[in-house]
Amino acid sequence: QQPVQSPQAVILREGEDAVINCSSSKALYSVHWYRQKHGEAPVFLMILLKGGEQKGHEKISASFNEKKQQSSLYLTASQLSYSGTYFCGTEFSSGSARQLTFGSGTQLTVLP
Amino acid sequence: NAGVTQTPKFRILKIGQSMTLQCTQDMNHNYMYWYRQDPGMGLKLIYYSVGAGITDKGEVPNGYNVSRSTTEDFPLRLELAAPSQTSVYFCASSYSPDRGPYEQYFGPGTRLTVT
Repeated sequence: QQPVQSPQAVILREGEDAVINCSSSKALYSVHWYRQKHGEAPVFLMILLKGGEQKGHEKISASFNEKKQQSSLYLTASQLSYSGTYFCGTEFSSGSARQLTFGSGTQLTVLP
Repeated sequence: NAGVTQTPKFRILKIGQSMTLQCTQDMNHNYMYWYRQDPGMGLKLIYYSVGAGITDKGEVPNGYNVSRSTTEDFPLRLELAAPSQTSVYFCASSYSPDRGPYEQYFGPGTRLTVT
């Protein structure tokens, strides 16, 4: 079951904040966030684990609500370099071979 | 370190032809993955491997085959190419020694068109 991301697209000005959401219909073990610039490969941003542990990017934060099976990515004081498509990848159970199921992405455009 | 490398970068196939997409990583990662990404969409897992000699199907395995004889290499074979296999293919790897967190490192991708 593919996680649902919202919004599908967002446009903001440099310095503004944005929130990207990822929700799942199944219980999650972890949520991973990646950013992909046009024509490039996805690049790792952050992992959030059940139990609250986070590992990732310095200037980007995220939350993981296990009960609601949701994660949110917070981009504060956006920079032009934040433009790209953001994907969440969900890992459903501790018994999996660490497969990720990716959402369809949120396209973020930061304007000067 | 070169990281994850993929060849070729681009390829055009005719319907019914076959080809192998190459993937190599030099990070001694145990896990390797193949994804496809259709325009404007997310990544779909085709096959993955947890170590040399061990492979398993992902979400969309039909029309593809893989093998993993070494830690470094994880080739993806397309048999009897179809237009529905037109996509960008990404190989990725990760190091997962235990149940701890991990990140996937992606190769630059192979853009495949089947006509």
